[in-house]
Amino acid sequence: EVQLVQSGAEVKKPGESLKMSCKASGYMFPNYWIGWVRQMPGKGLEWMGIIYPGDSDTRYSPSFQGHVTISADRSISTAYLHWSSLQASDTAMFYCVRSRVPNFPDAFDLWGQGTLVTVSS
Amino acid sequence: DIQMTQSPSTLSASVGDRVTITCRASQTIRTWLAWYQQKPGKAPKLLINKISTLEGGVPSRFSGSGSGTEFTLTINSLQPDDFATYYCQQYSSMWTFGQGTKVEIK
Repeated sequence: EVQLVQSGAEVKKPGESLKMSCKASGYMFPNYWIGWVRQMPGKGLEWMGIIYPGDSDTRYSPSFQGHVTISADRSISTAYLHWSSLQASDTAMFYCVRSRVPNFPDAFDLWGQGTLVTVSS
Repeated sequence: DIQMTQSPSTLSASVGDRVTITCRASQTIRTWLAWYQQKPGKAPKLLINKISTLEGGVPSRFSGSGSGTEFTLTINSLQPDDFATYYCQQYSSMWTFGQGTKVEIK
């Protein structure tokens, strides 16, 4: 089955680090762009960034550049989203997403189930 | 950055209505426009790509149109399952979502 399975919910304190994962299965992981989308409570969707696992080409939204790091491990078909220092404003649901066309940055046809992050002192 | 502006933010409609959601891009995005549906507590679902191409399994009452910077999502004969929030997205230059349109029961 073609799917993205994300790691579980997290509760963190401000200043802590976090690395969440997104495990892909059922398709050729290196060949599809895979990215992350944030949804703050009661708000809309925001594209954060994306990586092409085939060559690790990574692009970030200006709104998130420098605040998060996206990476991928082709050997285990897994993408990651990492914060070195969380803020309360990072409280949100995060979705990993896959571009629908191989080797091309396209619309997102595959979504993970979401990982809820709560940052509170 | 390309900005996407959706209207209206909220739309009240009844089962059987025809509804239209508009999305405007801050610059031309050619054909790189998608629409998503999101229900409460669920991940979004891709409905339409490249302005008007329906994803597999999407009912034909959904349709997309437009060009350049102005686009529309139309739902003909609204069904109970269609009450949700809809987002447009450009993928011409990076990716940007519109702010969403909630379709609620009138």
